[in-house]
Amino acid sequence: QSVLTQPPSASGTPGQRVTISCSGSSSNIGSYTVNWYQQVPGTAPKLLIYDNDQRPSGVPDRFSGSKSGTSASLAISGLQSEDEADYYCTTWDDSLNGPYVFGTGTKVTVL
Amino acid sequence: EVQLVQSGAEVKKPGESLKISCKGSGYMFTSYWIAWVRQMPGKGLEWMGSIYPGDSDIKYSPSFQGQVTISADKSTNTAYLQWSSLRASDTAMYYCARRILAYCTADGCLNTDHFDYWGQGTLVTVPS
Repeated sequence: QSVLTQPPSASGTPGQRVTISCSGSSSNIGSYTVNWYQQVPGTAPKLLIYDNDQRPSGVPDRFSGSKSGTSASLAISGLQSEDEADYYCTTWDDSLNGPYVFGTGTKVTVL
Repeated sequence: EVQLVQSGAEVKKPGESLKISCKGSGYMFTSYWIAWVRQMPGKGLEWMGSIYPGDSDIKYSPSFQGQVTISADKSTNTAYLQWSSLRASDTAMYYCARRILAYCTADGCLNTDHFDYWGQGTLVTVPS
């Protein structure tokens, strides 16, 4: 069972804004930066956001990340059909769950 | 171009051994950690462990310690994940990923910690 909690699902219509939360604790998100990965069904995960809010080259600027205290968020603005995927937050953890932990994952559906 | 190419799908019987591979190219293989990540059918991602090919330093997740063995061969730029006795519960997709700890921009170099490149995955099936 992951120490990083995400909502199991989120949805929106094309063009809408969707936000995904990632809740942790002082031993993980509270102490380390957060990364986000996108996994389109049937494919390998892809880096989406690193160091809380940085986008790799090639990732559209409608994806944004933030962190506050022991929680982090991923926002998708201007939702598009190709954004339908699973999204995972990740970070380090100082407890026995670590050292590296993934969130429970959120399935984003474009209605 | 950085690439991680994994070995093909495997179907094994319970109790059999297995070693799957992840071959890196397009970068200095010995200078980056390689992580292994499990994804059971319909489930999320789980970090299993990582290896630094430069000196074979290995870190295991407590959940996988003793269950699998991670290794690397510097001469062939290949990392491995192996089982000595498979179980039906080992049925999953296994990914390798490169871990990056620093990157440089025009303004200088910054510390980071994330997986920037992933292999395509190796499906391991162990029918019960």
